[in-house]
Amino acid sequence: EAQVTQNPRYLITVTGKKLTVTCSQNMNHEYMSWYRQDPGLGLRQIYYSMNVEVTDKGDVPEGYKVSRKEKRNFPLILESPSPNQTSLYFCASSPLGYGYTFGSGTRLTVV
Amino acid sequence: GNSVTQMEGPVTLSEEAFLTINCTYTATGYPSLFWYVQYPGEGLQLLLKATKADDKGSNKGFEATYRKETTSFHLEKGSVQVSDSAVYFCALSDPGAGSYQLTFGKGTKLSVIP
Repeated sequence: EAQVTQNPRYLITVTGKKLTVTCSQNMNHEYMSWYRQDPGLGLRQIYYSMNVEVTDKGDVPEGYKVSRKEKRNFPLILESPSPNQTSLYFCASSPLGYGYTFGSGTRLTVV
Repeated sequence: GNSVTQMEGPVTLSEEAFLTINCTYTATGYPSLFWYVQYPGEGLQLLLKATKADDKGSNKGFEATYRKETTSFHLEKGSVQVSDSAVYFCALSDPGAGSYQLTFGKGTKLSVIP
């Protein structure tokens, strides 16, 4: 089944404790992206990747890192999480522009 | 830059009522337009799309027509069901201008009551 898999689905952590949210797709898509969803703000792009070793900032990249060492994986790294990063996060992939597939989401709470 | 504006919610309708959710966009090129749906506790699913002017996207009884002259992509359904209760997002991408980023509206929450 074609899908984007994110882990974990739920995460509660403390301020400053490094964490990684994993994202993997099995559709051989070139393009992968991370979004955060916040009430009243909709979905905003954090980082994206056009292909292996090619990443770039989206609209709200501060406090986040990404890497793309393999085509299928695109982890989101929070080196020192803060409470304002409490949000619902989505990973998405696309064969360059059409038909984005989204993961089920990761609900992160930073206390 | 690109932007999407959709009508504020929430929208509450009775079952079998007609639904319209307005969406207008601003883009520098010739974007592709999408409607995504998010059911409670789930991720986003593509509902329908249109890639050029006058195209009509349709799925599950929902329709939207790409209107370049009014820069709009309004979502319609003739008879809503309780199972249509969800948040609906209008979005665009502009790959012709080199941007594969999906730009979203803020979402419209629809509640359908029996």
